[in-house]
Amino acid sequence: DADVTQTPRNRITKTGKRIMLECSQTKGHDRMYWYRQDPGLGLRLIYYSFDVKDINKGEISDGYSVSRQAQAKFSLSLESAIPNQTALYFCATSEGADEKLFFGSGTQLSVL
Amino acid sequence: RKEVEQDPGPFNVPEGATVAFNCTYSNSASQSFFWYRQDCRKEPKLLMSVYSSGNEDGRFTAQLNRASQYISLLIRDSKLSDSATYLCVVNKAYQLIWGAGTKLIIKP
Repeated sequence: DADVTQTPRNRITKTGKRIMLECSQTKGHDRMYWYRQDPGLGLRLIYYSFDVKDINKGEISDGYSVSRQAQAKFSLSLESAIPNQTALYFCATSEGADEKLFFGSGTQLSVL
Repeated sequence: RKEVEQDPGPFNVPEGATVAFNCTYSNSASQSFFWYRQDCRKEPKLLMSVYSSGNEDGRFTAQLNRASQYISLLIRDSKLSDSATYLCVVNKAYQLIWGAGTKLIIKP
């Protein structure tokens, strides 16, 4: 089983719909992250969490929200999806101050 | 100017050749540097960290040049399986800044 699991793997939705992407991990890491990747651009940080009670905005948090339900679970929501949120989304974890990241397999989201 | 810049490529290289590519960064205070590998539409995976003294892992060598603010990745005796996109990552405060990647294609 994967250490970092994202669901769904693919999602097609319509403008204005609410979408939730889920991430769970079995690595026991405190730190969790949500990134998006667009063609020709580097990964951009949406939100990150250093523990269950800690949520921080990243570079591009507008239009997104997150919930850290437990150490192992970190979900990303798009309250009202728009087409420019079409992207490949990755969840990642890291251990303590070590910045090495472990990624889930990604969620390809298409907003029509 | 982007904070982390990479030549997007693609670099088309014959199998067995040596290939190198650089990544420049703008934040002189950066302390942590990494190379990740990403296969098409899959998750990035850590290839190696980059240390001030340079480091080597098998056929891969990474170097840091602080004065000129770039890191490099050298791949010797390239294999078909090395075909991928190589992502440069640099820290800025408590966040990581990602380059857009360099695409490498190894040809038989």
